[in-house]
Amino acid sequence: DAGITQSPRHKVTETGTPVTLRCHQTENHRYMYWYRQDPGHGLRLIHYSYGVKDTDKGEVSDGYSVSRSKTEDFLLTLESATSSQTSVYFCAISVKPGGRNEQYFGPGTRLTVT
Amino acid sequence: GENVEQHPSTLSVQEGDSAVIKCTYSDSASNYFPWYKQELGKRPQLIIDIRSNVGEKKDQRIAVTLNKTAKHFSLHITETQPEDSAVYFCAASKVGEYGNKLVFGAGTILRVKS
Repeated sequence: DAGITQSPRHKVTETGTPVTLRCHQTENHRYMYWYRQDPGHGLRLIHYSYGVKDTDKGEVSDGYSVSRSKTEDFLLTLESATSSQTSVYFCAISVKPGGRNEQYFGPGTRLTVT
Repeated sequence: GENVEQHPSTLSVQEGDSAVIKCTYSDSASNYFPWYKQELGKRPQLIIDIRSNVGEKKDQRIAVTLNKTAKHFSLHITETQPEDSAVYFCAASKVGEYGNKLVFGAGTILRVKS
């Protein structure tokens, strides 16, 4: 499981409320990612991080922000949740781009925005 | 940016038969092509991957082939078993200093009938 945990695992929230999802890893990997999974779309990259305080946008970043203040934690925030952000969110780490390229996923967070 | 198309969207095979899933990608600079298996309610699991400097890779009953000229790659599963039933995703990325930003296909539902 590459030492990845996500919290919470399930969350129901109301439209307009802020939500923060946490990804925690125990193996000191430099690269971390947030994806969302929706039927018919596979997984789509939201944001990624290539080091502490180093983050950038993915293909579906609108409405999301991230922070990484320490190596082991990568936080995804929905500033004002909308129903279109109902999804399953997966965090991932990659081992060593350029060397080993494997990317491993956390268990996921199922978010429902009502 | 990169675009990955995956076919078929569903595939039913008889136990013991072979299954083939095909993906095409658009960015000739992509150099890493993983395949993931996802069971219902679980995280995507990496099953095999291939780099652009390799044409074929095999691991027991699964194999992946890559045709860089045509920009397509395929997953081959031989001697299918009921436990192979799952959703399979292909992905492509250009691995670099800033990480391994995967672009996924929409997925293939594989059903193995016993």
